[in-house]
Amino acid sequence: EAGVAQSPRYKIIEKRQSVAFWCNPISGHATLYWYQQILGQGPKLLIQFQNNGVVDDSQLPKDRFSAERLKGVDSTLKIQPAKLEDSAVYLCASSSLTGALNTEAFFGQGTRLTVV
Amino acid sequence: AQSVAQPEDQVNVAEGNPLTVKCTYSVSGNPYLFWYVQYPNRGLQFLLKYITGDNLVKGSYGFEAEFNKSQTSFHLKKPSALVSDSALYFCAVTVNRDDKIIFGKGTRLHILP
Repeated sequence: EAGVAQSPRYKIIEKRQSVAFWCNPISGHATLYWYQQILGQGPKLLIQFQNNGVVDDSQLPKDRFSAERLKGVDSTLKIQPAKLEDSAVYLCASSSLTGALNTEAFFGQGTRLTVV
Repeated sequence: AQSVAQPEDQVNVAEGNPLTVKCTYSVSGNPYLFWYVQYPNRGLQFLLKYITGDNLVKGSYGFEAEFNKSQTSFHLKKPSALVSDSALYFCAVTVNRDDKIIFGKGTRLHILP
């Protein structure tokens, strides 16, 4: 079974520029997550999709961050404009639904963003 | 709001000794609990989960965790540590299918040869 694919692996941009990250979840997984992991901290959920609908985006800075999940499969996370404090690893994860519960989440390797 | 706490930033254990990485949680409702491990430059890898049933759950690489409802804890354990177990460990919790998975801040496990 192929895992969660993310690209790019690394990205360096200047502040105020824009950047986009791409995620392809495990085939058949209904739920997709984007997490932000700042160095030395645990992952923080930015947005959760179920199929192509948003379940939770309460911690997404909507003035600069946006995300979409086209046709309930791939997803793109965009930052525009980027700030220095956005430097972090952006993790995509997916999980399937078993009855009333999401199974454990499977993570991609992440995209390490450095804003200079 | 649900939360999870990992009180130790780092745990040092001699190789061959038993290890424990602590996790406590706070939720309204029945918790679903997870442990993940993160090796350098790698994504998070799932280790084990507690959904319901037996309080002692076994997972990958010889790890196990004990769910204790009265103490709201879900400590990760292994009877005999290996140097290769050195990594960053995260505890996580969710409540139901529509709820987000919340992660602790992580505990760095350092196994001394």
